[in-house]
Amino acid sequence: IVITQTPLSAPVTLGQPASISCRSSQSLVDSDGRTYLSWLQQRPGQPPRLLIYRVSNRFSGVPDRFSGSGAGTEFTLKISRVEAEDVGVYYCMQTTQFPYTFGQGTKLEIK
Amino acid sequence: QGQLVQSGAEVQKPGASVRVSCKASGYTFIGYYIHWVRQAPGQGLEWMGWINPNSGGTSYAQKFQGRVTMTRDTSINTAYMELSRLRSDDTAVYYCARMYYYDRWFDPWGQGTLVTVSS
Repeated sequence: IVITQTPLSAPVTLGQPASISCRSSQSLVDSDGRTYLSWLQQRPGQPPRLLIYRVSNRFSGVPDRFSGSGAGTEFTLKISRVEAEDVGVYYCMQTTQFPYTFGQGTKLEIK
Repeated sequence: QGQLVQSGAEVQKPGASVRVSCKASGYTFIGYYIHWVRQAPGQGLEWMGWINPNSGGTSYAQKFQGRVTMTRDTSINTAYMELSRLRSDDTAVYYCARMYYYDRWFDPWGQGTLVTVSS
């Protein structure tokens, strides 16, 4: 499954919203009816960190300004008000079908 | 919550092998699959495969079949990833990550191990 992520670069003003999209080459709905699409954040020099799992579930400790939505082949990560600590690269990842695959990454930077 | 701590950076010559370790703490090691993901310098994430620490069962991405071996030692709560016949394009940071089977999310991730392949 190929995942296309857009945009690849997202310059955002502090306090403004940001949105990142992922499109998969086939549906991410598994035979159990669930959709296994996650969002990860990777700050400079750090390992990835889980933000959202199964499309829209915020992981423990993740601020509520992060939200995920979508279905089938189209998914979106939204940050309601960007803060300085949100700078980094964001990846979507599908764990519906082997081999698991990632989007190319979106670099979020402050204008 | 759990933590994964990986072994230190490695420099290997082309054609050699490298083994990276991933030590788990703070949770029941045999209760969660361990996955391996790599990231070439300045590039994105690439999934390599998984190991079930309980059974030792493994599954590898086709790209790495025949070159990668994932093992574990349950007595010391440690998973291993060995990559053989190294090439320069294997230069990357290698991460291990715990997967929660039911929701298939990856957390935590190890800190990463830089493997440099250079003559």
